[in-house]
Amino acid sequence: NAGVTQTPKFRVLKTGQSMTLLCAQDMNHEYMYWYRQDPGMGLRLIHYSVGEGTTAKGEVPDGYNVSRLKKQNFLLGLESAAPSQTSVYFCASSYSAGGNTEAFFGQGTRLTVV
Amino acid sequence: AQRVTQPEKLLSVFKGAPVELKCNYSYSGSPELFWYVQYSRQRLQLLLRHISRESIKGFTADLNKGETSFHLKKPFAQEEDSAMYYCALSGNAGGTSYGKLTFGQGTILTVHP
Repeated sequence: NAGVTQTPKFRVLKTGQSMTLLCAQDMNHEYMYWYRQDPGMGLRLIHYSVGEGTTAKGEVPDGYNVSRLKKQNFLLGLESAAPSQTSVYFCASSYSAGGNTEAFFGQGTRLTVV
Repeated sequence: AQRVTQPEKLLSVFKGAPVELKCNYSYSGSPELFWYVQYSRQRLQLLLRHISRESIKGFTADLNKGETSFHLKKPFAQEEDSAMYYCALSGNAGGTSYGKLTFGQGTILTVHP
């Protein structure tokens, strides 16, 4: 049982390049999230999805796009990478919309934009 | 707007000493609060949630609505407790949270032998 898997684990981009981060979960969870982790700022929500075919903006959505074409996958895209997007990206999923629900996290993707 | 504050970026204690990681929050409704932990080279995982009122790995946390705090405590720290700890809040006053979390800045706990 893999849980939440993120691809790739590391990536270096040049400013202006594009890339897609893939998140896959095998727990049949409805809800999926993308967070970024920056020193001194904790994790901040970029986008989230409440089910297949849906997406919504989080706290820091600018510069990112997402898609949830299949229930098990949640893609995060950077159309034109900027140095400010250097961060560690975490995907998470949960089975319920309830506030008490546990979130299950991927192992993270370390992205450097030069 | 909801906010979570962890005032200590770094916390160092010796093995066997008590440890308290502070967490304060601001939220207009009834919050759901969590502690998540990230051990070295492992993924972020749930440590405990306030509604469960449980003790996990010897850690407890009590929600104090008057002081808007959710401090994490352990009476006798162990070296394997060394990790990054995040306090998190789930809530969307007047609506549905959809499981979204607001995290504090994190506290790196180091337990020395």
